[in-house]
Order: sequence, then structure tokens, then C-alpha cells
Amino acid sequence: LAKTTQPISMDSYEGQEVNITCSHNNIATNDYITWYQQFPSQGPRFIIQGYKTKVTNEVASLFIPADRKSSTLSLPRVSLSDTAVYYCLVGEERDDKIIFGKGTRLHILP
Amino acid sequence: DSGVTQTPKHLITATGQRVTLRCSPRSGDLSVYWYQQSLDQGLQFLIQYYNGEERAKGNILERFSAQQFPDLHSELNLSSLELGDSALYFCASGRVGGGNTEAFFGQGTRLTVV
Repeated sequence: LAKTTQPISMDSYEGQEVNITCSHNNIATNDYITWYQQFPSQGPRFIIQGYKTKVTNEVASLFIPADRKSSTLSLPRVSLSDTAVYYCLVGEERDDKIIFGKGTRLHILP
Repeated sequence: DSGVTQTPKHLITATGQRVTLRCSPRSGDLSVYWYQQSLDQGLQFLIQYYNGEERAKGNILERFSAQQFPDLHSELNLSSLELGDSALYFCASGRVGGGNTEAFFGQGTRLTVV
């Protein structure tokens, strides 16, 4: 799986927009970029997936520059309940594994 | 609700024992993945099955084994249990491959070995 690098932790305040950036310099042509959210003692939850430019759903936006070597997950107007670990994953065409890195531990403060 | 069902939710057993964890994937998903997550640790990929066949293997101990049945449900068997096997075990199913990593996780089985 293409290696990803993301901050270990981030703090933000309720009502703010949070942007978490992930680097994936070795991303391959056919790879998608996928983000997961995990609350304590729960399974990871798929948030958003994209290939290029911008993707938006009811939960988040995903910004991917033209070179695709990084991506930014944007969470609008966060609340305390957005406190979780966020994982960035990049797929590999020949590999069926889903390998998680350490993720970004996001802590939202009141 | 992800559509992936894991049973049991909690399991307490003694060292040396054997347990079986069960996973029912989302309707239509042929792939099942198993993960182990110890306290404050990351998600460790154990093994993947696709339509009944083992497709990929991760850091799975020899004391652990899995299988996927014709109805696509999967079981993870853990034997000769040790205290260090206490963890959350997650199952996931989904469309993975060809660069796509979209999967859906169950709520996990919390295994406590005493």
C-alpha cells in the first residue's frame, strides 16, 4: 500500500473548520484516496473517497491537488462529537489489503 | 449501521482456551477482512478472504486461523489464547482492489483473556 503521512494529533475548537492533510508521494495512477473515522471502541467508518480535484458529501470535503501527492480532509464546523482518529489510506491496484497507519487523533475542545 | 454484523460483542475466556468470532458481511460483498486492535494500538490487518478463498495475509499468528463459508460469512478462530490476545477484533467487508479501499466495518468483538 502506498505510504501515507499525516499528523499524529490535532486540536481544534467547536465551530471551527478542521483541515487534516495527508501526504502520499508514491501514489499510483489508479489509486483512490480514502478517509476513515474511528471513535473509541468502535470500528472505523468510511467518510469519503476521491480520485482527483474535490469531493464533497454530507460529512466532509476532500481536496486533492493536480499532482495527487497529498490530500486534505476538511470537516466544517466541528463539534465535540467529531473527536476521533482519522485515517488516510491510499489503495494499490495489485493489493487487496487495507492497511491502516497510525492516523490523526483529532481532539475538539469546547 | 454498516451492514456488517459481528458476534459475539463481548467474550471473556481463560488463557489456553479457544474461541471463534463470527462475521456476516454486507449483502453482496464478497470480501471479508479481519483486524486486531489492542488498547491504544493501531489496526493490525490479519487476513482477507474473497468468495471463500484466502486472498491476503497480514500479521496473523499461527495460533489464529480463519475461513469464509459458501454463504460468505466468516469465522476467526483463536486458539491457545494468551493474555496479550486481549483486544478488539474487527471484521470488514467491501469493494477493495484496483486501487479502491472502501470497506465497511462491524462493531467488533471485544475479547478479554484472563
